[in-house]
Amino acid sequence: GDSVTQMEGPVTLSEEAFLTINCTYTATGYPSLFWYVQYPGEGLQLLLKATKADDKGSNKGFEATYRKETTSFHLEKGSVQVSDSAVYFCALRSAGGTSYGKLTFGQGTILTVHP
Amino acid sequence: SAVISQKPSRDICQRGTSLTIQCQVDSQVTMMFWYRQQPGQSLTLIATANQGSEATYESGFVIDKFPISRPNLTFSTLTVSNMSPEDSSIYLCSVPGQQFLNTGELFFGEGSRLTVL
Repeated sequence: GDSVTQMEGPVTLSEEAFLTINCTYTATGYPSLFWYVQYPGEGLQLLLKATKADDKGSNKGFEATYRKETTSFHLEKGSVQVSDSAVYFCALRSAGGTSYGKLTFGQGTILTVHP
Repeated sequence: SAVISQKPSRDICQRGTSLTIQCQVDSQVTMMFWYRQQPGQSLTLIATANQGSEATYESGFVIDKFPISRPNLTFSTLTVSNMSPEDSSIYLCSVPGQQFLNTGELFFGEGSRLTVL
């Protein structure tokens, strides 16, 4: 079945540091890939997406590129801020899924950014 | 976007009891989804709640353990029955965005954190 593996956290960085959170997946066909973020006290929200190979999703300074050859979708940001402290979830939706709305999530990575 | 309210936000329950979680959405939606996030693990889809029909359960989840109601297009409940410590989790309600098939965007409530003693 489908699965998503994220790098283990927590990740602690200083402000303006470079961020990478690794995400790899296992799925048949060509899934759509997503990063969701959960800020303290809030619900999960979509951060960015990519629906086909070599697509780059971007939002709020974050980027992730859909790499079919390495089955990866790593999240990056060049300069993190304290306000980026949150839990980040990598997720996929299978191309031929029969469960409408079924996203397969990674386990989440806690990011803490210090001033 | 959709605003989703869940109640309770957290609760501590005794083994063998049942608890019902409510999910209210500020707009009408065809489908609502219930996810579970066990400690240190990823989110797992429990079931899809359809208005006017029975919920569709994912493998490993059964109606007797997680009965779901969907009385109208803005509301759903999930009951966790005969709880054991293994049911200690965060339960999340979610709804698809209008462009879900293209974007994959789901809107989530803040979750209900259950601890079973």
